[in-house]
Amino acid sequence: NAGVTQTPKFQVLKTGQSMTLQCAQDMNHEYMSWYRQDPGMGLRLIHYSVGAGITDQGEVPNGYNVSRSTTEDFPLRLLSAAPSQTSVYFCASTRDRAVGGELFFGEGSRLTVL
Amino acid sequence: GENVEQHPSTLSVQEGDSAVIKCTYSDSASNYFPWYKQELGKGPQLIIDIRSNVGEKKDQRIAVTLNKTAKHFSLHITETQPEDSAVYFCAASMASGGSYIPTFGRGTSLIVHP
Repeated sequence: NAGVTQTPKFQVLKTGQSMTLQCAQDMNHEYMSWYRQDPGMGLRLIHYSVGAGITDQGEVPNGYNVSRSTTEDFPLRLLSAAPSQTSVYFCASTRDRAVGGELFFGEGSRLTVL
Repeated sequence: GENVEQHPSTLSVQEGDSAVIKCTYSDSASNYFPWYKQELGKGPQLIIDIRSNVGEKKDQRIAVTLNKTAKHFSLHITETQPEDSAVYFCAASMASGGSYIPTFGRGTSLIVHP
């Protein structure tokens, strides 16, 4: 099993450009989520999904869109990138959202917005 | 919402010493407390977790203690080794709308000097 796979690992954008960060998991996990990690700020939840067709906002959703058309994939879209979105983004999944358990993280996508 | 405070932000120890990282949480309804280790350039990985019906849990050189009354929990690493150098995150979570969504602390950078 590959676990949680994120692409791309690195990306540089100009202000106003759009892009999609891809996340795929092969563990048949119901729950998937996106976090951003900034120095001294820990991991902050952007959006999450409890199953195909269901998404919800986390702590810092502004400027980001998500969709969940399949169990495996959970892409994160930046419609008009801003310098404040420069960060490292992590996708994570878990098998059973109802009992609390291990989050499996991808290796991260480092985004720089100029 | 839940608020998790983590201290210290940086911890420097000599190889063989013990290391202690402390976290406090605000919502008494939180009942699941995981700890994650993040090595450089990688995603966080679960190292140990504890639920609110348990006061202490140990796994080889790492242990976690939980004080529900005081709303704080700690990670203890004994006989530290250079490979323990990493960023450690605590988290607190509770069931909300049928899902456990963790709130993370801001992280502790542990440096173990050989």
